Amino acid sequence: KAGVTQTPRYLIKTRGQQVTLSCSPISGHRSVSWYQQTPGQGLQFLFEYFSETQRNKGNFPGRFSGRQFSNSRSEMNVSTLELGDSALYLCASSFLAEGQETQYFGPGTRLLVL
Amino acid sequence: AQSVAQPEDQVNVAEGNPLTVKCTYSVSGNPYLFWYVQYPNRGLQFLLKYITGDNLVKGSYGFEAEFNKSQTSFHLKKPSALVSDSALYFCAVRDSSGGYQKVTFGTGTKLQVIP
Repeated sequence: KAGVTQTPRYLIKTRGQQVTLSCSPISGHRSVSWYQQTPGQGLQFLFEYFSETQRNKGNFPGRFSGRQFSNSRSEMNVSTLELGDSALYLCASSFLAEGQETQYFGPGTRLLVL
Repeated sequence: AQSVAQPEDQVNVAEGNPLTVKCTYSVSGNPYLFWYVQYPNRGLQFLLKYITGDNLVKGSYGFEAEFNKSQTSFHLKKPSALVSDSALYFCAVRDSSGGYQKVTFGTGTKLQVIP
């Protein structure tokens, strides 16, 4: 099976712009989670989607939003970009089997806001 | 508010020796606990997860973690360290009660296995 793919891998934007990141989960996985990783704040949870519904969310401002499509692909959008949004954005997909859930991470999208 | 503490920024251990990476947590409800590993240039990987049941959870690459409710700890362990285990390890917690459940990560512990 192909792994979790994220596009684009690298992105440069300027302050005030908006950006959309995409995540394609492993085939058959219905849960997708998003995380932000920065040197200063470390790893932070953004949100989780399951079957097109946002199931959990972290403490990020409303500028950060996401959605999941019927094929389980997910997008994350950040509007009105700020310098502090520069980060590695990670996506993970997971499935539940025999009571066990395992997450698989994509390589991430590295966003630089200038 | 929930929180996770990884008290050691770095742990050094000789190859072949047992290793422990410490994690303590604080949640108001019942915790779901996680360990992740981030290898240089290889991205983040899920190691193991505790939901309920046995206090000893076995994960990938020979790692295990012990849930201790009274000490609110979830230390990661491995009986014999390999040089290839050198990486950055993150502990995380999620409060299983309530509606929206967010995940909180620790600051990470760098494990250095010395040949």
